[in-house]
Amino acid sequence: AQSVTQLDSQVPVFEEAPVELRCNYSSSVSVYLFWYVQYPNQGLQLLLKYLSGSTLVKGINGFEAEFNKSQTSFHLRKPSVHISDTAEYFCASMTYGGSQGNLIFGKGTKLSVKP
Amino acid sequence: KAGVTQTPRYLIKTRGQQVTLSCSPISGHRSVSWYQQTPGQGLQFLFEYFSETQRNKGNFPGRFSGRQFSNSRSEMNVSTLELGDSALYLCASSSEGIQETQYFGPGTRLLVL
Repeated sequence: AQSVTQLDSQVPVFEEAPVELRCNYSSSVSVYLFWYVQYPNQGLQLLLKYLSGSTLVKGINGFEAEFNKSQTSFHLRKPSVHISDTAEYFCASMTYGGSQGNLIFGKGTKLSVKP
Repeated sequence: KAGVTQTPRYLIKTRGQQVTLSCSPISGHRSVSWYQQTPGQGLQFLFEYFSETQRNKGNFPGRFSGRQFSNSRSEMNVSTLELGDSALYLCASSSEGIQETQYFGPGTRLLVL
C-alpha cells in the first residue's frame, strides 16, 4: 500500500542555519512526489515536485529536494533558513498509471526558525 | 487573476444533516481537487475532477461525493454528517491536474455538532 512517512514532527532551527526535512515513501508502482508548505493561518502552497528526469528538484523560496529511488526518500533541504520559513511542511506522493490515483500526505513537519 | 474561492468559509451543521461546499477555480483551470484537513488525520485527498469527470479518488466513504460543472466550478457534498467530519475542507485548482502546480483556496471550516 502507498504511504508517506515524515520522520520528524517538529524541527527547531536557528536562522541562517541549514535544514533538512525528511520524507520516505512506499509504493509498489511509480510515483510523483511533492512538498507543500502551509504558513500559519494560510492555505497550502506547492513548494516543489518531482515527476521525472533530474533527481534534484528546485522549488520556490530557495528549497530543493532530492529523489532517491533506492532509499525511497524525498528529503527537503534549504542551505540557510529565514524566520519567514516557519511553517508546516507536507510531503506527498501520488501513484500514476493504471487505475485512479490517490494523493497521500505525510503527517507534516513543523519547522520553527528561531532568531 | 482571481484566486481559488471557496464558499462558505465557515459552516456549522448537526449530525445527520448534509452539506454542500463550493469551489470556484482560477479562470482557465480545468482540474479541481478536494482535501480534508483535521488535527488527528492530517491532510487527506478526497477526489479530483477534470473536465467534469472524476479522475482520481481517495479513500473516503460514499457519503463524500462531488461534481464539476462545465465552467469548472466544483461542489462537494457530504451526506449524513458525522462528528468526525468536522474539518477544514480545502479545494485546489490547476490547469491540467494534480501533477501540475495546484493553487489552494482558503478552505471551508465545517463544524459538526
